[in-house]
Amino acid sequence: AQSVAQPEDQVNVAEGNPLTVKCTYSVSGNPYLFWYVQYPNRGLQFLLKYITGDNLVKGSYGFEAEFNKSQTSFHLKKPSALVSDSALYFCAARNTGGFKTIFGAGTRLFVKA
Amino acid sequence: EAQVTQNPRYLITVTGKKLTVTCSQNMNHEYMSWYRQDPGLGLRQIYYSMNVEVTDKGDVPEGYKVSRKEKRNFPLILESPSPNQTSLYFCASSLGGQTTDTQYFGPGTRLTVL
Repeated sequence: AQSVAQPEDQVNVAEGNPLTVKCTYSVSGNPYLFWYVQYPNRGLQFLLKYITGDNLVKGSYGFEAEFNKSQTSFHLKKPSALVSDSALYFCAARNTGGFKTIFGAGTRLFVKA
Repeated sequence: EAQVTQNPRYLITVTGKKLTVTCSQNMNHEYMSWYRQDPGLGLRQIYYSMNVEVTDKGDVPEGYKVSRKEKRNFPLILESPSPNQTSLYFCASSLGGQTTDTQYFGPGTRLTVL
């Protein structure tokens, strides 16, 4: 079965420190990969996506993600965390040519001042 | 303002009482989808629609129906709700039929079935 895994339920980081939120996928072919963020009582908002090309993708709010095909990973990163980055982050994958979207279980990020 | 709207935002109902959650988008998007969000499970896709009158099952379609009679609307219907359908529901839309398209999400509908 195809799946997206986010191995950490929660990530804690101090403001100003770099952050990483991990994502691995098990999807056939060359999937398209996405990161979304959810703030309390809000819907999901798009951060960035990997389609093809450069393995380092830059997105909104200073976030970036690194695609690693050999490790089937798509980790979300930010060089310097802000308290306002505290939210729930979801990794998602879509098959090429398919329209089902598979989401990970989500990782809650806490950034402490 | 470009947006996806859902109604109602909160709903408490009883087992077996039919209900409809509406979803509407004003971006002329072709693709629309419904998800449910449960703790520890993330978002799971219920149904999606590629265009008017074109729908398909996602990963958890049992107990749900959808229709797409107009491009902007994609209602989710629970004919006979059960407590295991208590969840947070999100509607989403994207521009067209490309797998690479970004999805735009509504604010969510929190449903409780007693």
